[in-house]
Amino acid sequence: DTEVTQTPKHLVMGMTNKKSLKCEQHMGHRAMYWYKQKAKKPPELMFVYSYEKLSINESVPSRFSPECPNSSLLNLHLHALQPEDSALYLCASSHRDRDHNEQFFGPGTRLTVL
Amino acid sequence: DQQVKQNSPSLSVQEGRISILNCDYTNSMFDYFLWYKKYPAEGPTFLISISSIKDKNEDGRFTVFLNKSAKHLSLHIVPSQPGDSAVYFCAAAGGGADGLTFGKGTHLIIQP
Repeated sequence: DTEVTQTPKHLVMGMTNKKSLKCEQHMGHRAMYWYKQKAKKPPELMFVYSYEKLSINESVPSRFSPECPNSSLLNLHLHALQPEDSALYLCASSHRDRDHNEQFFGPGTRLTVL
Repeated sequence: DQQVKQNSPSLSVQEGRISILNCDYTNSMFDYFLWYKKYPAEGPTFLISISSIKDKNEDGRFTVFLNKSAKHLSLHIVPSQPGDSAVYFCAAAGGGADGLTFGKGTHLIIQP
């Protein structure tokens, strides 16, 4: 299995809703990442989990809350989002114990905040 | 401050010819460079990478060249095919950071 899967594919939510994005990989990767991509912009790093521990939080607002239940799963909990948070949210994974640092991305969740 | 720069927002190349996409970086701590291909509403697809200890890496139709002294890398695609039409992102890793720093992308259009 060489895929990173993300659910849901699309999500529309109001500013008072609570929702979660899910990501899964079965490549044995020990690092998992959340990126945010706005239209016509490059992906921007939000969070990094390494061996199931949060290692980087790029000053992301607390309305985004990551969770790594195990080495194969990564969640992003959303609460009280703003319309400007509408974007494509990408999950990625990579090996942590090799020289290579290729990150493999999922298809993303297209989030719209009304 | 943009640490990875792709100065050409778009590039049009005739089918069968060589496509050359360029990327510059400013952070000398970067030690690993990657190219990704992206279609709209999809995640980036990894294409090819190069470590800073090398100056060339080849994989099929794709070759990446790295010039460390100039802080410049390029992706060559030869021959270009219609399916190569997509946005190509240059990304860099290293300097103690776990994540990737992306350039703004170049939209490659292969003309029949």
